[in-house]
Amino acid sequence: NAGVMQNPRHLVRRRGQEARLRCSPMKGHSHVYWYRQLPEEGLKFMVYLQKENIIDESGMPKERFSAEFPKEGPSILRIQQVVRGDSAAYFCASSPANGYEQYFGPGTRLTVT
Amino acid sequence: EDKVVQSPLSLVVHEGDTVTLNCSYEVTNFRSLLWYKQEKKAPTFLFMLTSSGIEKKSGRLSSILDKKELFSILNITATQTGDSAIYLCAVEGTYKYIFGTGTRLKVLA
Repeated sequence: NAGVMQNPRHLVRRRGQEARLRCSPMKGHSHVYWYRQLPEEGLKFMVYLQKENIIDESGMPKERFSAEFPKEGPSILRIQQVVRGDSAAYFCASSPANGYEQYFGPGTRLTVT
Repeated sequence: EDKVVQSPLSLVVHEGDTVTLNCSYEVTNFRSLLWYKQEKKAPTFLFMLTSSGIEKKSGRLSSILDKKELFSILNITATQTGDSAIYLCAVEGTYKYIFGTGTRLKVLA
């Protein structure tokens, strides 16, 4: 059973470009969580999704950030018009249901130049 | 505001020592507390605690939760250099997890 997969592992974007981060949950998991880890800080919750639904996006910036988890395919975290402050490691986690332990992907390290 | 505080922030010990990592929290609608070990890759799950006073154990690691005093400890006995990592505590509230900033543990040979 493959673990949570994220791609790309490293992403470099110039200011103003768009970044798309993908997360494929573990088989059988229908709940996906996105986190951001800034240098020297802990993980910060961004958004919680189930298939085709955003359950909680309270940790996500109101502008430029969006997330989806379609019926088919991976969950996508999209950052439009990236700025230097968006440089961070973005982790995705999945669980079979809410309230169960989450399993983390390897993360995508975004660098904005 | 929900918060999770871990202490100490960093710790350096020698192989064979025993360490205790602390996690205190204030989270509305507490559901569970989780411990993760983070090395250079993503955090790996260690324990999930939901009930007070019941110790969970895995090899040299153990953890316990006190829901009255709102804290948890993670113990590591007979530490090894491979235990060097950041240990994250996370508390589950409603639909989300609040993470502490972690305790950075370094075990010297």
